[in-house]
Amino acid sequence: SQQGEEDPQALSIQEGENATMNCSYKTSINNLQWYRQNSGRGLVHLILIRSNEREKHSGRLRVTLDTSKKSSSLLITASRAADTASYFCATDLGSGNTGKLIFGQGTTLQVKP
Amino acid sequence: NAGVMQNPRHLVRRRGQEARLRCSPMKGHSHVYWYRQLPEEGLKFMVYLQKENIIDESGMPKERFSAEFPKEGPSILRIQQVVRGDSAAYFCASSPPSGQGYEQYFGPGTRLTVT
Repeated sequence: SQQGEEDPQALSIQEGENATMNCSYKTSINNLQWYRQNSGRGLVHLILIRSNEREKHSGRLRVTLDTSKKSSSLLITASRAADTASYFCATDLGSGNTGKLIFGQGTTLQVKP
Repeated sequence: NAGVMQNPRHLVRRRGQEARLRCSPMKGHSHVYWYRQLPEEGLKFMVYLQKENIIDESGMPKERFSAEFPKEGPSILRIQQVVRGDSAAYFCASSPPSGQGYEQYFGPGTRLTVT
């Protein structure tokens, strides 16, 4: 079974609207990271949130982490057509782990102009 | 400061041939991770290396796949006797010497097609 599962699998919104993506995981983590991938390209790091943090912001991005529910959410406010991409959460299991990331299946976001 | 570099960007191999994928980490980074992405899927961890050492290869298939990160030069992911199921995008990521618990910087990937 997946360590990271994302919801929804696909999301389509109008420019200017907010987009929320969720990620659930199964085991304890050291940190959780969100990445963006444009079609056919590499991954771009967005935000890293550590297990002792609850919320982080970066520009139009807001990430929350609820370790009691083993879940995280990524909010993109005032979306733009350029935000169209796939978004992945990735967990670093920490303690005893080697820093490898366990990725979810991703959420495909389409922002219509 | 150049990012993580991978080459080639696209590689076509016939079944049974060998594929060599190269990754040069960001300057100052000594930790390299390889991931594989099948179409419409997330990335799957393959191997984690530091200079001259394989630290974690728990995601590597037992046969035909090998990786190295020599003292000098790029990290190499080698796939011998490729099969159609090896067709995927292979991404390399690097992180600074503090390594674990920090963000990883990804290269653009090598897209391997096995015909």
